[in-house]
Order: sequence, then C-alpha cells, then structure tokens
Amino acid sequence: GQQLNQSPQSMFIQEGEDVSMNCTSSSIFNTWLWYKQDPGEGPVLLIALYKAGELTSNGRLTAQFGITRKDSFLNISASIPSDVGIYFCAGREISSGTYKYIFGTGTRLKVLA
Amino acid sequence: DGGITQSPKYLFRKEGQNVTLSCEQNLNHDAMYWYRQDPGQGLRLIYYSQIVNDFQKGDIAEGYSVSREKKESFPLTVTSAQKNPTAFYLCASSMDVNGELFFGEGSRLTVL
Repeated sequence: GQQLNQSPQSMFIQEGEDVSMNCTSSSIFNTWLWYKQDPGEGPVLLIALYKAGELTSNGRLTAQFGITRKDSFLNISASIPSDVGIYFCAGREISSGTYKYIFGTGTRLKVLA
Repeated sequence: DGGITQSPKYLFRKEGQNVTLSCEQNLNHDAMYWYRQDPGQGLRLIYYSQIVNDFQKGDIAEGYSVSREKKESFPLTVTSAQKNPTAFYLCASSMDVNGELFFGEGSRLTVL
C-alpha cells in the first residue's frame, strides 16, 4: 500500500532545542493525524487536523495542515528528555472514497540532556 | 477508565499454530481496526470493521481472520497460512468511519 514520506527518519537534539518534522504525500488528504509512540507501546494521538492551513497546538506541540493538502508539519518547542520516541503522521485521502488512513514511517527523536 | 485493551502483551507461537489476539474497547466506538507494525515501515491495515457483524479486508489480510460479534470486541486470528507473522500488532478504534484512530497498547507475536 501507499506510504507517506516522513522526514527526517531520525534526529538527535539537545534538550531545550526546537524540533521540526514533516510528512508529504502525492495524494490530497482531508485529515492529518500526528502520533507519538514509545518503545513497545501503542501510538498516542497528539493532534488532529481537518482543514487546509489549520494550525493546532497541544502544549509544546504545534501541527499544521499544509495549504496544498499534501503535507503536514509537526513542531516541538523547548524539547525535554520525555519527548524521546517515534512520531508518526497519518493521512486520509479524499479520493480513496474510504476512511482508510495511510501512515508515515516515523521520525525517531532522541533528546540529549 | 475508557480505552482499548489488547491481550496478551507478548505471545510466542510455534510454526503451524493459529493464535488469537484479543481487542476490547469500552469507548462505544463503532469502527475497529487491526494494524501490523514492522521495523522501518508505516502501520499496515489488516482488517477493519465499521459495524457489528461486518468487516472488510485491508491491505495485508492474507493469513489473518477476524470476527465482530460484539461492538466492543474485534479479535484477530493469525493463522498458519501467514508466512511471516512475527510482528507488533495494534488494534485501534474510532467513533465512526470519519473519526480519529485511538490505539491499544499492542501485542507482540513471535514465531519460534
């Protein structure tokens, strides 16, 4: 099945730094979801986006639904050690006629104290 | 607490055996899903169910089977026909077909 292009694949940052990651698709999406997954656990929903251009925050996390409907961005401000984990995006295509979500391959974040 | 409960957390299987993974939700969600997660890949959809007594194949349904006899339960059977069953399996639910996905804690299956 189709997968989203998520980047970067991994990143090491210092505590206190800001983090940015993004997902891009060749298809137009009508919904974007962002998740965080800890090792051996299920993904936890962070932010949901439903409209092009929408900007939504959840604490230190901010996500945006790209204007082209083909991309989305997640920013984490002032990172802390507990931000470590894998961040996934998921999108749902308008053209598919179904509600099936497509998932990115994840961005592995490591925070150095 | 409301949520999605998967069991067992870890499961070992010998080749040729069928195993069933349990998924229960008390969120009163209509739709339920099973995903498979492998290292370096995005989640792949195995089966989904929009309502009780109805389910549809996802992208990688071969070697798997499901049932949806109750709204809150969506068990997944990994059959001996699944050629590479070792993986992390995630159950999810959503209020309806348009809703956000909420995941359980996952079940790790290892074939010996």
